[in-house]
Amino acid sequence: SQTIHQWPATLVQPVGSPLSLECTVEGTSNPNLYWYRQAAGRGLQLLFYSVGIGQISSEVPQNLSASRPQDRQFILSSKKLLLSDSGFYLCAWSSSRALVEQFFGPGTRLTVL
Amino acid sequence: AQKVTQAQTEISVVEKEDVTLDCVYETRDTTYYLFWYKQPPSGELVFLIRRNSFDEQNEISGRYSWNFQKSTSSFNFTITASQVVDSAVYFCALSGTGANSKLTFGKGITLSVRP
Repeated sequence: SQTIHQWPATLVQPVGSPLSLECTVEGTSNPNLYWYRQAAGRGLQLLFYSVGIGQISSEVPQNLSASRPQDRQFILSSKKLLLSDSGFYLCAWSSSRALVEQFFGPGTRLTVL
Repeated sequence: AQKVTQAQTEISVVEKEDVTLDCVYETRDTTYYLFWYKQPPSGELVFLIRRNSFDEQNEISGRYSWNFQKSTSSFNFTITASQVVDSAVYFCALSGTGANSKLTFGKGITLSVRP
């Protein structure tokens, strides 16, 4: 069965510090991968998605970037965090053969102070 | 453009009551998918159901049932005999069927089930 991991689970960072969140998927190959942010208002905002190694699509301009160095690894980064980057970050995957339901990881709660 | 509206923001019921969560969507696609996800306090989104636009048959899974009506662009979710463990945020979502389709989520409904 497929499993998706995210770490760290929680993170408190000062403004201006760098960020690296990692997501890995097990039990499937060539998945589509997604990064979402959920701010205090509960809505889910798609940040990035990837259909393959090195292929990243950005949904909104922001202070963040994403990379996919390996087939089942997806990384969310920032060089300098802003207060507005605080939120709950969720990674998700879906089958590349059928772009339907996405399965989500446990999330990372980021607080920027 | 696609849009999902969950007009109810918070619902509070007493255990064993039935509760319906509303979802209305907008899309120009002729074929699409609809979803419901549950987000318990732990934060992880749990996939509940996917419905294809060409299949309007209602579905029941235990205490959960879904009513899809294309004529009103609605995909409502009913929990029968609610339990405290049903307390969560519930999201309705929509996607197209194309190669690069993405999920469009509603803002979610916070359901509180009191003992």
